[in-house]
Amino acid sequence: QVQLVQSGAEVKKPGASVKVSCKASGYTFTSYGISWVRQAPGQGLEWMGWISAYNGNTNYAQKLQGRVTMTTDTSTSTAYMELRSLRSDDTAVYYCARDSSGYSDWGQGTLVTVSS
Amino acid sequence: DIQMTQSPSSLSASVGDRVTITCRASQGISNYLAWYQQKPGKVPKLLIYAASTLQSGVPSRFSGSGSGTDFTLTISSLQPEDVATYYCQKYNSALITFGQGTRLEIK
Repeated sequence: QVQLVQSGAEVKKPGASVKVSCKASGYTFTSYGISWVRQAPGQGLEWMGWISAYNGNTNYAQKLQGRVTMTTDTSTSTAYMELRSLRSDDTAVYYCARDSSGYSDWGQGTLVTVSS
Repeated sequence: DIQMTQSPSSLSASVGDRVTITCRASQGISNYLAWYQQKPGKVPKLLIYAASTLQSGVPSRFSGSGSGTDFTLTISSLQPEDVATYYCQKYNSALITFGQGTRLEIK
């Protein structure tokens, strides 16, 4: 079965960077893109961007352009999302999701807390 | 950017009621519309894709309809386990957008 397993919770100071991983199994990694979605406490879902696991092409949400980088390692079937210059409003649960027609498979979520 | 507007933002209904949630796109998106259910503290779950295709394993009381700019998610007979927040999502282009969510409670 398809599984997306994310790295553990992080606590960061404002201005720092965080890199979240998402290890995929149960399907051919390069056949699907990976999207990243975040959810601030008590808020809705916010799409952050997408990466093709086939060729590394990316699309990022405009508000995160310049601060976010998504990458993949096809040798380990792992996707990564790095967010830089963290602010308090980046505190959220970060999800990876397999990009099919809609997101049928999600990681368990990674809580990133930004606090001084 | 295409905006997705859900209504209502919250609603309360009784067990057995027919419930309808609406999602409107600011521009036409054909049928590139998905619906998700998120229970408190849980990961979102895909219910419907391509506006009206039921995801495998989702109860048949859930259905979706619409095309272009106006879409609906319908629960034919509300069950207690349907308490959740529901989100629409458009995916007709490289830029994905979610609706703001509809919180559904039992009356």
